[in-house]
Amino acid sequence: SQTIHQWPATLVQPVGSPLSLECTVEGTSNPNLYWYRQAAGRGLQLLFYSVGIGQISSEVPQNLSASRPQDRQFILSSKKLLLSDSGFYLCAWRGLGGRARNEQFFGPGTRLTVL
Amino acid sequence: KQEVTQIPAALSVPEGENLVLNCSFTDSAIYNLQWFRQDPGKGLTSLLLIQSSQREQTSGRLNASLDKSSGRSTLYIAASQPGDSATYLCAVSLVNNAGNMLTFGGGTRLMVKP
Repeated sequence: SQTIHQWPATLVQPVGSPLSLECTVEGTSNPNLYWYRQAAGRGLQLLFYSVGIGQISSEVPQNLSASRPQDRQFILSSKKLLLSDSGFYLCAWRGLGGRARNEQFFGPGTRLTVL
Repeated sequence: KQEVTQIPAALSVPEGENLVLNCSFTDSAIYNLQWFRQDPGKGLTSLLLIQSSQREQTSGRLNASLDKSSGRSTLYIAASQPGDSATYLCAVSLVNNAGNMLTFGGGTRLMVKP
């Protein structure tokens, strides 16, 4: 079965510090991968998606970036955090084939607080 | 641009009641629609996936319907239980969408009282 991991689970960072959030998927190959952000009182916003290694598409302009160094690894980064970067960051992958075709599955999330 | 709306934003019901959550979307050219559950501070759990060619999907006490032409979906929860308390989110993906990106509604926060 497939499993998606995110770490860290929680993070408190000062404004201007760097960020690196990691997401890994087990039990599948060549998945589509996604980063979403859920800010307090707001809906889920798609930040980045990737259809393959080194292929990153950005949905919104911001001071965040994403990378996919391996097939099942997706990293969200920032060089300098802003207060507005606080939120709940969710990684997701898309299932292919059979009953799970095009169904998205989400990880447990990372709660980021920027002070 | 696809917009997804969920009504009501919050709902409180006594245990045992049957209830309906609503989701509407503006662009009917969808590929599929997914219903999720989110507990406080947790990730999203996929409940049901409806392909655009389907009318409904069922899983246990949950039944989701899709009317693509009118841009609507409903999630029916039978015999609600306190454990059903959570936020329910619907999301759609469009046909011409290389990354199968989802557009989410704002969610319905459900509380089932014992």
